[in-house]
Order: sequence, then structure tokens, then C-alpha cells
Amino acid sequence: TQLLEQSPQFLSIQEGENLTVYCNSSSVFSSLQWYRQEPGEGPVLLVTVVTGGEVKKLKRLTFQFGDARKDSSLHITAAQPGDTGLYLCAGLSAGGTSYGKLTFGQGTILTVHP
Amino acid sequence: SQTIHQWPATLVQPVGSPLSLECTVEGTSNPNLYWYRQAAGRGLQLLFYSVGIGQISSEVPQNLSASRPQDRQFILSSKKLLLSDSGFYLCAWSNSPDSPLHFGNGTRLTVT
Repeated sequence: TQLLEQSPQFLSIQEGENLTVYCNSSSVFSSLQWYRQEPGEGPVLLVTVVTGGEVKKLKRLTFQFGDARKDSSLHITAAQPGDTGLYLCAGLSAGGTSYGKLTFGQGTILTVHP
Repeated sequence: SQTIHQWPATLVQPVGSPLSLECTVEGTSNPNLYWYRQAAGRGLQLLFYSVGIGQISSEVPQNLSASRPQDRQFILSSKKLLLSDSGFYLCAWSNSPDSPLHFGNGTRLTVT
């Protein structure tokens, strides 16, 4: 069974601060997806990273995929109250019997205070 | 454009009662369909997935079952609910096993 450890579980910061969320695994993933979920709604895809070492930017959000494709990070610069929500990473299995299966991290609940 | 509908949004059911949650997708053909459960607003646990009509794979042995009677319809059922079935149930679709998921807005199920 593949596991994806996401940290921290909770993050409470002030508007304007920077933050980083981490996802780590001992397994290799063919790609890694990041989702954001607001209360009472389903998760919404933010980005997919595919290549080891890849860095993608989405406005104030920077996503990085580790060189070995076992870990990823999400960095938010100058956080705003609108960034508040649950952030989930999800790794896509690289092959074998687990092909196509998505493993989710436990999520990071981010609260940005005005 | 593709849309996914999931209902009901909330449901309160007594222990031992049956369950039927429905999910439909519009604007795409032959989608992969998924049922996830999310506990306490945290990570998602895959319950069932389907790559075609009548094809259901179960990830976790449990009190629940799934069916896909039509190409774009996915149903989650139970004959007798348990307290432990309470949770937030999410339906999702994707174009292929390695494509990102598109989620519905979920059903909050409380078993009393």
C-alpha cells in the first residue's frame, strides 16, 4: 500500500505570511496532483506535476515535484484570507497492479487570518 | 462543458436503514467514475471505481456497494447502514485512470 504523508496537518497564519506544505512518500509516483477544497464542496484541481524536479507556478502558489518523484511541496507567498481551505496532495501510482490509482495525503487545513 | 451532479447534499438516516446516493455526469462519454469517502474533512479514501457500465471495483471491504446502470450514472448503496458509515461521500469522474479527478459537491451522511 502506498502512503503519502502530508504536513503540517494544520496551519494558522496571518495575512501576508508565506507558508509551505509538504507531501512525502517512499514510493515513486508517475505524477502528483494538488487539490483545494472548501467546506461543503468537492476538491478542485490546482495543478498536476509530472516530471521529476518540475516547478509550476500559479499566481502566488508554487508547486514542486521532487527529483525522485517521491515528494512534492506547495509554497504560498503572501497568503490571503481567500487561500483558506483544505489542501490535498494526491500521487498517481507509477505502474504494476496499482496503475492509475490515486493515493491522497491526509490534507492540510490552512486558515489565513485578516 | 462537463458537469457532475451529486445528490442529496445532506442526509440523516437511522441505523439499519437503506442508502442510495446518486451521481450523474454530463458532457462526456465513458468516463471513469469513483466514489470516495472523506472523514472529518481530511484525506480521501477510495471506495469504488468503475471504468464502464456494470464494471465495479471495490477498494475496501465494507457495508456499501456500488452500481453503474448507465454510462454516466453511478450509485452508492447500502442495505443496512451502520453508525460508522457516517461521513462525507464524494463522487468523481475522470477521462482516464491517469487523468485528474473532477469532483461533485458531496453528500454529508449522518447515521443516527
